[in-house]
Order: sequence, then C-alpha cells, then structure tokens
Amino acid sequence: AQRVTQPEKLLSVFKGAPVELKCNYSYSGSPELFWYVQYSRQRLQLLLRHISRESIKGFTADLNKGETSFHLKKPFAQEEDSAMYYCALSWGVNAGNNRKLIWGLGTSLAVNP
Amino acid sequence: EAGVTQFPSHSVIEKGQTVTLRCDPISGHDNLYWYRRVMGKEIKFLLHFVKESKQDESGMPNNRFLAERTGGTYSTLKVQPAELEDSGVYFCASSLGLVGYNEQFFGPGTRLTVL
Repeated sequence: AQRVTQPEKLLSVFKGAPVELKCNYSYSGSPELFWYVQYSRQRLQLLLRHISRESIKGFTADLNKGETSFHLKKPFAQEEDSAMYYCALSWGVNAGNNRKLIWGLGTSLAVNP
Repeated sequence: EAGVTQFPSHSVIEKGQTVTLRCDPISGHDNLYWYRRVMGKEIKFLLHFVKESKQDESGMPNNRFLAERTGGTYSTLKVQPAELEDSGVYFCASSLGLVGYNEQFFGPGTRLTVL
C-alpha cells in the first residue's frame, strides 16, 4: 500500500538558517511526489512537484528513489516560510491518470526572528 | 475567479443528525475530489468525480456518506446519520482535465464538529 511518512510534527528554526523537512514514501511503482503548503488562514496550495524540478520560493526537493525520500530544503529560511507543509504522493499522473493524493501527517515549520 | 468554494465553512451538529457539505469547483474543471483530515491524522482521500461520474470512491468510510455531483458542476457530500468520528475538516479540490498533469486546487475546507 502507498504510504507517506513525515517524521517531524514540528520544526523550529531561526531566520537565515537552513531548513530540511523530511518525507519518506513507500510505493512499489513510479511515484509522483508533491509538496503542498498551507499558510495561516489560507488554503492548501501546491508548492512543488518532483517532475518539474523547479525551485519555488527558494525551496527545492529531489526525489531519491534509493532512499525513497523527497525531502524539502531551503538554504536560508525566512519568517514568511512559517506554515504547515505536507508531502503527498500520487502515481500515473503524467499519463493522464489524475488520481488521488496520498498524504503525510504534515510538518509545522516555525521560523523564528 | 474565486477558486474552489465550500459551504458551510463550519458546521456543528449532534450525533445522529444529517449534514450536507457543498463544493463548487473552479469553472470548467472536470475533476473534483473530496478529502478529509481528522485531528491528529493524515489527510485522507474520500472520492474522485470525473464530471458527474464517480471515478474512485475507495476512500468513502461507509454507507453513511453519500456524494453527488449534479450535472458535473458542484458536488455535495451528505453524512447521514453523523457520528462522533466524522468530525474533521473536509476539503474539496478540483483540477482541469483528463490529459496529462492537472494541478489540484483546494477549497478552504469545511470544519465539521459532531457532538
């Protein structure tokens, strides 16, 4: 069965420090991995997906199939990065199969001044 | 464009009552999803509509939950009768089409409290 694990419920860092939010997954096929973010009093929104290999708001994430991980990283955290971050998995997306998302528990990131 | 809208934003009902949640997707979006987050647990998929058809309803907890999507536009999720464990935040998401990758856009959620 597909599963996404985010081991940290809360991550607290100081402004300017590097941040890494961990995500591990289990899926036997070719997964599609996503990071979603929910800022305070806002709705869930896509931050980035592994296929696009983009850097969004300074965040990057690399899919490591050997370690089944998709950790989210940013070299210098900003206070406005404080939010809830969710790692999610799907499959067959680019083949046009717009399937459900399987979610991790989420990590609350607090960036302190 | 208002994005995905959900109504109500909050609902407090007693066990055994009925509640109907509504989701209006972004205009023209064929895919509509329902998810639920119960406190302390992961966001869980409930079901997926493609236009008016149920594509995947594998996440529906039991037959107390009934989802419809009239004419392929808005969707309703009815819980009857509600139980305490149904409390949580119900999210709706929509995405555009059936070809290639289509980002899921989320509504603000409906917070359901069953007393």
